[in-house]
Amino acid sequence: AQTVTQSQPEMSVQEAETVTLSCTYDTSESDYYLFWYKQPPSRQMILVIRQEAYKQQNATENRFSVNFQKAAKSFSLKISDSQLGDAAMYFCAYRSSGGGADGLTFGKGTHLIIQP
Amino acid sequence: DTAVSQTPKYLVTQMGNDKSIKCEQNLGHDTMYWYKQDSKKFLKIMFSYNNKELIINETVPNRFSPKSPDKAHLNLHINSLELGDSAVYFCASSRGTSGGNRVTQYFGPGTRLLVL
Repeated sequence: AQTVTQSQPEMSVQEAETVTLSCTYDTSESDYYLFWYKQPPSRQMILVIRQEAYKQQNATENRFSVNFQKAAKSFSLKISDSQLGDAAMYFCAYRSSGGGADGLTFGKGTHLIIQP
Repeated sequence: DTAVSQTPKYLVTQMGNDKSIKCEQNLGHDTMYWYKQDSKKFLKIMFSYNNKELIINETVPNRFSPKSPDKAHLNLHINSLELGDSAVYFCASSRGTSGGNRVTQYFGPGTRLLVL
């Protein structure tokens, strides 16, 4: 079974600075998908970014980018120019590439605090 | 229009009662899911439905039963509620079951269930 580990329960960053959230995973599969979701105090789960394992290029979405290291099974999220609205729980998630309706396997989350 | 909606948003009930949570998606997606988020914010897949067929049941007690009247709806029925069922329940949907864009899951706002 796949596991996802987020080793930082909480991170704090000054507004406008850059922060990196860590995620590692364990799998025996060669093809899979990785995601970062954001959960603000409103409780809504919001997709931040997706990475396909077969793609060597790191995914980027505006101020959000990932550092995907397949051999190391590492998938970190970098947030540039942090804004107050980035304050939230961030969850790393894994999904098998199998053709079935597989659910996501989540890490335990990192609580990101933005200091003004 | 809300893409994935859940009703109710909050549910307070007594132990032993039976309750249902409704989920609807207007995205035209083929696959729907139910997740449970516990008090420590850990998210775990409960069920997945694809084309009205249950694909995954992650060792959830049989007091929980998903019901899908059509492709746009996946309701969660819970019988004989227990204190440990208190959690936030999220519905999600994806376009399909393979391909990066198709497997991306979009979440509803969650239903906070409190069993007294």
